[in-house]
Amino acid sequence: GQQLNQSPQSMFIQEGEDVSMNCTSSSIFNTWLWYKQDPGEGPVLLIALYKAGELTSNGRLTAQFGITRKDSFLNISASIPSDVGIYFCAGRDSGGSNYKLTFGKGTLLTVNP
Amino acid sequence: DGGITQSPKYLFRKEGQNVTLSCEQNLNHDAMYWYRQDPGQGLRLIYYSQIVNDFQKGDIAEGYSVSREKKESFPLTVTSAQKNPTAFYLCASSTRSLGANVLTFGAGSRLTVL
Repeated sequence: GQQLNQSPQSMFIQEGEDVSMNCTSSSIFNTWLWYKQDPGEGPVLLIALYKAGELTSNGRLTAQFGITRKDSFLNISASIPSDVGIYFCAGRDSGGSNYKLTFGKGTLLTVNP
Repeated sequence: DGGITQSPKYLFRKEGQNVTLSCEQNLNHDAMYWYRQDPGQGLRLIYYSQIVNDFQKGDIAEGYSVSREKKESFPLTVTSAQKNPTAFYLCASSTRSLGANVLTFGAGSRLTVL
């Protein structure tokens, strides 16, 4: 099956610092998605990317769809305490079902005030 | 407000018992999904349904069953055949046109087998 390698597994940062995390896949994807999950809750979609090279922002968050179509990154600028949570990448490969995503294992972000 | 409601939030069950998790949505979405989440793991797809009275197995369907008798409802039964059922279960929905590109998740149900 498809595999996504998400890194880092966890990050401990100070409030105000910038954060970067990334995902790489073993095959070509035509959709990359980034979700955030608060403790005990379901994930919420942050950014969706549909084209190679696409760079999209959502407030302090910026994500890019890699040119090779096998990777994506998410940056968070000027982190704040409410950024704490687990960030997941997810993708859909070019030959896959419209209804099936592959998820990374997540990056646990801790922000120290 | 539109959304997805999962119940119960917490559930304890003895080994050998079946348990059913409820998922209801009022978003008028055609497609619904069940995912399993284990600590430090990504989400894994159990079952999905594109339309009423139709559903397909995901990557880890063994030991689970579903039904889709109404558009709004997609209950998941964790059977005694599921060898390691303790996990966090997430229900999601989407429009048919966007598919899994835009999933709306419920708040999850945590199942613990004693």
